[in-house]
Amino acid sequence: AQSVAQPEDQVNVAEGNPLTVKCTYSVSGNPYLFWYVQYPNRGLQFLLKYITGDNLVKGSYGFEAEFNKSQTSFHLKKPSALVSDSALYFCAVRDINDMRFGAGTRLTVKP
Amino acid sequence: ETGVTQTPRHLVMGMTNKKSLKCEQHLGHNAMYWYKQSAKKPLELMFVYSLEERVENNSVPSRFSPECPNSSHLFLHLHTLQPEDSALYLCASSPLRVAVHEQFFGPGTRLTVL
Repeated sequence: AQSVAQPEDQVNVAEGNPLTVKCTYSVSGNPYLFWYVQYPNRGLQFLLKYITGDNLVKGSYGFEAEFNKSQTSFHLKKPSALVSDSALYFCAVRDINDMRFGAGTRLTVKP
Repeated sequence: ETGVTQTPRHLVMGMTNKKSLKCEQHLGHNAMYWYKQSAKKPLELMFVYSLEERVENNSVPSRFSPECPNSSHLFLHLHTLQPEDSALYLCASSPLRVAVHEQFFGPGTRLTVL
């Protein structure tokens, strides 16, 4: 069965600095990987996905993620963090069945 | 908004009550999902409907009963719940139940069981 792990419960960065939110996965076949963001009192919003092709995937709000097959990772990155990026971030993996989410990483960007 | 709406947004109920959560998607999608989100736990997939047929029930207690009358609407009927059922219940939809599609989520219903 597929699974994802987000090793950090909390990530703190200063505004303007680069940010990374980590995700590792485990699947038996080709991985389909997703990142979602959840703002307070809201549902999850899709940021980006890796299906196939270029290992660097660009998504919404300036976010990008790098698929690394050898390290089974799909880390979310942004070159310059904004205070408004503070939210809960979820990595997810999907095979022919359904989406499995990580436990989430709370990102706090301080001014 | 994502095109997926959920009502009510907040619900407080006693353990003997019966209530229903409603989800509606305006995206023309053919797959719909119920998730449970509890604090500091991964999202738990509860039910999946594809083309109005239930295709997955992840060992969910029978006090939760889903209904999908058409491809745009999804309900979760609740009865004799327990305090540990208090959580955020999220509805989602996708064009089809295939791996390449992302899911679109509603804002959720915050359920408190007293």
